[in-house]
Order: sequence, then structure tokens, then C-alpha cells
Amino acid sequence: GAVVSQHPSRVICKSGTSVKIECRSLDFQATTMFWYRQFPKQSLMLMATSNEGSKATYEQGVEKDKFLINHASLTLSTLTVTSAHPEDSSFYICSAPTPGTGGASNYGYTFGSGTRLTVV
Amino acid sequence: GNSVTQMEGPVTLSEEAFLTINCTYTATGYPSLFWYVQYPGEGLQLLLKATKADDKGSNKGFEATYRKETTSFHLEKGSVQVSDSAVYFCALSGKAAGNKLTFGGGTRVLVKP
Repeated sequence: GAVVSQHPSRVICKSGTSVKIECRSLDFQATTMFWYRQFPKQSLMLMATSNEGSKATYEQGVEKDKFLINHASLTLSTLTVTSAHPEDSSFYICSAPTPGTGGASNYGYTFGSGTRLTVV
Repeated sequence: GNSVTQMEGPVTLSEEAFLTINCTYTATGYPSLFWYVQYPGEGLQLLLKATKADDKGSNKGFEATYRKETTSFHLEKGSVQVSDSAVYFCALSGKAAGNKLTFGGGTRVLVKP
């Protein structure tokens, strides 16, 4: 079946540095990628939607300059956390509409395995 | 706006026990409801879904019924196995929110042999 490969699975970085998280769709093209964030014991919150060939759409309250999203190709979307601070420590996960199931119906989404970011 | 509330975990059970994870929602219109499961080290997988009131979703022995009158979508399994240990997420989507998924906080389930 469709697979979204997300890397890294865990990363620890120093405060002030930037971290890049990659999500690659394997064996299918993902024109859209959704990026979520999850704080401990809280819901997955949609941060932004990336679209290949155009600017990402950010949810209200999400800093565009802080969380840079690039959808460079039909199989790769990246999220860069710039100048990371401890409050950015969280679990980040991506998902892409799964081909053949009708992305707009919402039950055809493939998720990456997530990235646990810890900023020290 | 849309929201999903599910019981906090962790839920610890013995093998063959009955599992219930409560999920209630708030939404405008008529959302679709989902349960996703995340096994250790893996991505979220769709477990089951229901798209209208009184629909029952089922998969791998799990069931959930879309109850509009109580705005609930509780997940049940009659006899759990160790392999069911995972984190379970209730979610909804609706046209009013652009068909984007709204998740509950997740419930970790641990099944002991």
C-alpha cells in the first residue's frame, strides 16, 4: 500500500538551531501534504497544508516564518523549524491523500511515522 | 469549531478483556467520524470510519457506531490481544471545515498477556 516515509523519527537540537523534517511519498505522488503537531496529552493540531508548486497554507496562529514548509516535488515535502526553542519541542507528523481513495473524502490519508523533536 | 474529546489513557487490560474507548465530538453539520490507530514506531492507520448517523464502522474486531443523538463514536472490541497495544485516535472531518481532520488527544492502550 501507499507509504509516507518521515525522517528523522527523533531529533534533539540546541536552542537557536534549525531542524528539517522530511516526508516522502513512496510509490505515489503527493500533491498535498498536511503537517500536524501534537503536544503531550493533547490532540494532533493541523499546522499547515503544503501544495506542490505553490505556497503552503498555514492555520491560524501558526508562525509562517517559524515553520517553513516547502513542497519541492510531487514526492517530497519538508518542514523546517527555524531558530528552535524549547517550546517547539513536540511531535510532528505529516499525512498525504492516498491515491485511489479520493483525497477529498478524507478517509484516504496516509500518515508518516512522526518526528519527536526535543529542543534543549 | 469542530472538536473531539476522547478518554485519556493509558488503558491497561489483560488479554481477552473487553475494550471501550469513549469519544464525543462537537461539529457543525454532519461530519464523518474515524478511528485511527498508531502502533509503536509506525504512522497512523485508518482503523474504521462512519459517514452518517447510525452507521457502524468495523475492522479487525473493532466496532464503533455513529450516534448523532449523543454525538459519540465509542470504540469497542470484545476480546483484545497483545497486538492491539497501540495509541488510538478518534477524529472527524466535515465540509464546513474544508474536510480537514480534527483529532482527539489519543488513548494509549496496553494489553498484557
